[in-house]
Amino acid sequence: EAGVTQFPSHSVIEKGQTVTLRCDPISGHDNLYWYRRVMGKEIKFLLHFVKESKQDESGMPNNRFLAERTGGTYSTLKVQPAELEDSGVYFCASSQSGAWGNTGELFFGEGSRLTVL
Amino acid sequence: AQSVAQPEDQVNVAEGNPLTVKCTYSVSGNPYLFWYVQYPNRGLQFLLKYITGDNLVKGSYGFEAEFNKSQTSFHLKKPSALVSDSALYFCAVRDLIPSNTGKLIFGQGTTLQVKP
Repeated sequence: EAGVTQFPSHSVIEKGQTVTLRCDPISGHDNLYWYRRVMGKEIKFLLHFVKESKQDESGMPNNRFLAERTGGTYSTLKVQPAELEDSGVYFCASSQSGAWGNTGELFFGEGSRLTVL
Repeated sequence: AQSVAQPEDQVNVAEGNPLTVKCTYSVSGNPYLFWYVQYPNRGLQFLLKYITGDNLVKGSYGFEAEFNKSQTSFHLKKPSALVSDSALYFCAVRDLIPSNTGKLIFGQGTTLQVKP
């Protein structure tokens, strides 16, 4: 079974440019999450999709970040325009909805490292 | 607010010795606790979880963790460390507020360095 895949693995852009990160969750997983880790700090939640609907986007830093999950399959996270503080590793994770409701673990991708110069 | 703390940035241990990576939590209600590991240039891998039941939870690669409600801790342990265990370890708690959406709150991470 294929795991969570993310693309690109590393992106280097200049301040003011646009970057789009993509996540393909495990097939059949309704829940999709985006997280971010800024250098040396904790992994912070950005948002959560259930199928194509945004369930919780309380962690999105500002309106320069836009996430979509058209058709409830893969998801994209666009940063426009990028700022220096957006640098970090962006992780995507997916999970099934369990019998007890979301008690299962999350399955993570390898992350997309974003460097804004 | 729910939170997780990993008080050590780095833990150093000699191969063959027991290891402990510390984690404490603060939640409202019963905690759902997790440990993940990140090897260099890899994604986060699930190690183990505590939902309910036995306080000692066994996971992947010989790791285990002990849930201690009175001390609000969930320390990760292994009886005999391997050099290949060197990695970044994250403790996490399921965020149950405002509802059980499956969202995780992570600690800062602890780098485990196992020397031969």
